[in-house]
Amino acid sequence: NAGVTQTPKFRVLKTGQSMTLLCAQDMNHEYMYWYRQDPGMGLRLIHYSVGEGTTAKGEVPDGYNVSRLKKQNFLLGLESAAPSQTSVYFCASSYPRTVDTQYFGPGTRLTVL
Amino acid sequence: GEDVEQSLFLSVREGDSSVINCTYTDSSSTYLYWYKQEPGAGLQLLTYIFSNMDMKQDQRLTVLLNKKDKHLSLRIADTQTGDSAIYFCAESPGLFGNEKLTFGTGTRLTIIP
Repeated sequence: NAGVTQTPKFRVLKTGQSMTLLCAQDMNHEYMYWYRQDPGMGLRLIHYSVGEGTTAKGEVPDGYNVSRLKKQNFLLGLESAAPSQTSVYFCASSYPRTVDTQYFGPGTRLTVL
Repeated sequence: GEDVEQSLFLSVREGDSSVINCTYTDSSSTYLYWYKQEPGAGLQLLTYIFSNMDMKQDQRLTVLLNKKDKHLSLRIADTQTGDSAIYFCAESPGLFGNEKLTFGTGTRLTIIP
């Protein structure tokens, strides 16, 4: 099993450009999450999904959109990138209603100039 | 909202014990987790403790929970160079533990030879 994979690993954008980050998991997990990690601030939840076709806002959703068209994929979109969105983005997935851990992808480092 | 706090840095000599502390504010936390992040990688679960427990031991790791003071600690015995990483505590108010984790800022553990 590959676990949780993220594409791309690195990306540099100019202000105003758009892009989509792809997260894929092969563990048949119901729940998927997008976090951003900034120095000294830990991980903050952007959006999450409790099943195919459902999404919900997390702590810092502004400027991002998500879609969960297939159970195994969770996409994070930036429609008009801003320098404040420079960060490392992590995707995670988990089973529902269990103490089992969230499994994390390796991260995407995004720089917005 | 929920808040989880940690010191940002800790330096320990190789072979000594490391103690990483965490405080949280949500009294309804049901599960508390410790994650490890190695350079350039995602987060991996180290251990977790249920809120009705005071202590949990797993090989070199000891977790202590003081629910009255909302204080969580992770002790790593006989610290090795491979323990160098950022350690995150996280809490979940969910009944089943892995929903909508709130992470601390992370503590960067540096091992001194």
